[in-house]
Amino acid sequence: SQQGEEDPQALSIQEGENATMNCSYKTSINNLQWYRQNSGRGLVHLILIRSNEREKHSGRLRVTLDTSKKSSSLLITASRAADTASYFCATAGQTGANNLFFGTGTRLTVIP
Amino acid sequence: ETGVTQTPRHLVMGMTNKKSLKCEQHLGHNAMYWYKQSAKKPLELMFVYNFKEQTENNSVPSRFSPECPNSSHLFLHLHTLQPEDSALYLCASSQERQGLSYEQYFGPGTRLTVT
Repeated sequence: SQQGEEDPQALSIQEGENATMNCSYKTSINNLQWYRQNSGRGLVHLILIRSNEREKHSGRLRVTLDTSKKSSSLLITASRAADTASYFCATAGQTGANNLFFGTGTRLTVIP
Repeated sequence: ETGVTQTPRHLVMGMTNKKSLKCEQHLGHNAMYWYKQSAKKPLELMFVYNFKEQTENNSVPSRFSPECPNSSHLFLHLHTLQPEDSALYLCASSQERQGLSYEQYFGPGTRLTVT
């Protein structure tokens, strides 16, 4: 399957702590993306990392990619209650089809 | 607001009804998508349109019929649905370059309940 798989399925932390979510995938990719979804709403794109990149930052977000292990991690630093949401990784294949393959997500709860 | 709108936001329909979901993107993108999101399952890609041409149909039952009249509008026509079709239906758009996938912009979704 080309779908990413997030780990853990659910994560609960105190406000101010860091949250780390992991994603594993099985096929070669062109890029990997992370999305956020508030309950019952659409997904919002957070960050894209290309297969030739190892680390990327955006505000309080830090994404790493290890193509040898076919895995990625999303770190949210100094979490806030407003970060409570589901987080999904999505992989884009190398060529030929503009499809993204999503995992089942990690449900993050940040306790005020 | 992501620049992608969907209507209606909620829809309840009987198994014999016919209804349509509408999606509109204001971003000038050249690709649009329909996804189905059910509880505890990965997001399922249903249809992909590039430059108004359907390029992907992920073995979706014929009771779902997409229509893309132009690059800004996408419809999903529904008829004789089953209760297991109840889900959140998400529309997305993106600007595709050289056949590769980049970030997608999602609408807020239509929560469909089939009774």
